[in-house]
Amino acid sequence: DAGVIQSPRHEVTEMGQEVTLRCKPISGHDYLFWYRQTMMRGLELLIYFNNNVPIDDSGMPEDRFSAKMPNASFSTLKIQPSEPRDSAVYFCASSVFGRTNEKLFFGSGTQLSVL
Amino acid sequence: GNSVTQMEGPVTLSEEAFLTINCTYTATGYPSLFWYVQYPGEGLQLLLKATKADDKGSNKGFEATYRKETTSFHLEKGSVQVSDSAVYFCALSTGGFKTIFGAGTRLFVKA
Repeated sequence: DAGVIQSPRHEVTEMGQEVTLRCKPISGHDYLFWYRQTMMRGLELLIYFNNNVPIDDSGMPEDRFSAKMPNASFSTLKIQPSEPRDSAVYFCASSVFGRTNEKLFFGSGTQLSVL
Repeated sequence: GNSVTQMEGPVTLSEEAFLTINCTYTATGYPSLFWYVQYPGEGLQLLLKATKADDKGSNKGFEATYRKETTSFHLEKGSVQVSDSAVYFCALSTGGFKTIFGAGTRLFVKA
């Protein structure tokens, strides 16, 4: 199993540009989560999907952020337009939730720098 | 609302020292509790978990006991190694599919 795969690993862009982060969850996992990690705010849940449907997007900071999951093996997080305060590490995680299995599997993250 | 509070870091120890990282939580219902570890440049990975009161989670020499009376889940290891240097996150889940993480505690272990 390849684990959760995120791309790119690093992204440097200029303010105002569109940024798209990509995630491939573990096959068979029906939950997908996007987290943002910063020094100031720690690890924040942005949005999560169940069976490709967005369930809770209350953590998305503002309308500049959007996320999609067109199929069970792919999700994107888009920021348009990007701002310097969006600089952070963005993690994708997937899981299968059952009575005893609440473990999250994280990707290696995308380090985003907005200049 | 649900929340997790863990001790601020960084924590700096010498190799073979005893480690404790404190974690307390606030939650409605009966949460599952977790410790995740993040090594440099990597995503978080589950270290151990406990799903009910008095359960002890353990892995790789690390242990934590779910204490409902004190709402705590402190992480301990009897003898740390340089390779344990990482950031440790305490977390809870109430079964609503949201995992709430603490701020993380960075551990440095010196040879």
